[in-house]
Amino acid sequence: ETGVTQSPTHLIKTRGQQVTLRCSSQSGHNTVSWYQQALGQGPQFIFQYYREEENGRGNFPPRFSGLQFPNYSSELNVNALELDDSALYLCASSLGTRGRNTGELFFGEGSRLTVL
Amino acid sequence: DAKTTQPTSMDCAEGRAANLPCNHSTISGNEYVYWYRQIHSQGPQYIIHGLKNNETNEMASLIITEDRKSSTLILPHATLRDTAVYYCIVRPATSGTYKYIFGTGTRLKVLA
Repeated sequence: ETGVTQSPTHLIKTRGQQVTLRCSSQSGHNTVSWYQQALGQGPQFIFQYYREEENGRGNFPPRFSGLQFPNYSSELNVNALELDDSALYLCASSLGTRGRNTGELFFGEGSRLTVL
Repeated sequence: DAKTTQPTSMDCAEGRAANLPCNHSTISGNEYVYWYRQIHSQGPQYIIHGLKNNETNEMASLIITEDRKSSTLILPHATLRDTAVYYCIVRPATSGTYKYIFGTGTRLKVLA
């Protein structure tokens, strides 16, 4: 167990809808990263939040957005859902600094999103 | 694109050592090698990481070649619970983000 919890574990949406996924990071961790994992593929980096600010983003469109709260928990929001957004969304927390992150990532179990 | 190359799949007999290779021929001097694994339907789990020296912890050993262009993860006594997808990742030590570039990994099946 990593201490990283995600909700909901499974959900089904239809094209065009919006979804919010939530993540509670491990105690004391100030950095949260989000990854998308399509079936049969490795996880792909969406973005990272450090102390409530986005400080890194992968190749995802702006309809993927996020928030980090003062307690370091985080949300991932996806607007205008497309069929290809169906995937496992993974949250990972870590204790980072602005310039140096050599430690490990602690992943949650993920939220499996199905878009119909 | 992933900076690493791994075999798609491997089998290992239970109780034997599992040796998982990874090629990272374009690795830079400041990049670490990380290994994670993902058991079915779970999030990835950190195993070990290293820069240039061999590393060992309670889970595994990491052997990095002298030229750092390849490495091997060793699970000394594989059990059925080690069946998982194993990812080899390289990333800079001074990166400000945890942007890991995962490939498709090696699917290890431990056989009874």
